[in-house]
Amino acid sequence: GQNIDQPTEMTATEGAIVQINCTYQTSGFNGLFWYQQHAGEAPTFLSYNVLDGLEEKGRFSSFLSRSKGYSYLLLKELQMKDSASYLCAVRRSNDYKLSFGAGTTVTVRA
Amino acid sequence: DAMVIQNPRYQVTQFGKPVTLSCSQTLNHNVMYWYQQKSSQAPKLLFHYYDKDFNNEADTPDNFQSRRPNTSFCFLDIRSPGLGDAAMYLCATETGTQETQYFGPGTRLLVL
Repeated sequence: GQNIDQPTEMTATEGAIVQINCTYQTSGFNGLFWYQQHAGEAPTFLSYNVLDGLEEKGRFSSFLSRSKGYSYLLLKELQMKDSASYLCAVRRSNDYKLSFGAGTTVTVRA
Repeated sequence: DAMVIQNPRYQVTQFGKPVTLSCSQTLNHNVMYWYQQKSSQAPKLLFHYYDKDFNNEADTPDNFQSRRPNTSFCFLDIRSPGLGDAAMYLCATETGTQETQYFGPGTRLLVL
């Protein structure tokens, strides 16, 4: 089975840093994705990790540790437009489908 | 330039009245997915197509059907919508080479 856990909500101040953690237990692993989803809109792709380590993309970075079943998404220099839900998703190696977490709602305050 | 298009964006239907949601893509991707997402929940995969091969998730109700007449289009048919089927329905596409999925804007379904 699949079990993907991430915090429900986080709040941070504009300009600050926020780290969203994701832990997973899946039947086979073939990569981890982070998506951003604004209210009422579709998820948009942020990052992909398949090997251990840190992937950096501008203000956003994502880290993976396969042995620990753990990833985090780091958002730096927060802006108001970063207020959204952030979904962690794991691709299963047996059928290549994505299993999603319920998402972490990040609220950025001035 | 829209790559995955869903129509309509909002759909209101009556309890038990069949409804069809549509998805089209300009990416020429092999794989198309339909997800159901309820408020504050993870997207739940309903089914997917690899080219014309249809794959149903084991827990997808029989009330939900899908058609993919060609590479570009995919439809979700809900034969007898219940109040519990009110949700956002997301269509996504993928090349089939394990890259990211591209999502459409979603159709929000309201059942009265």
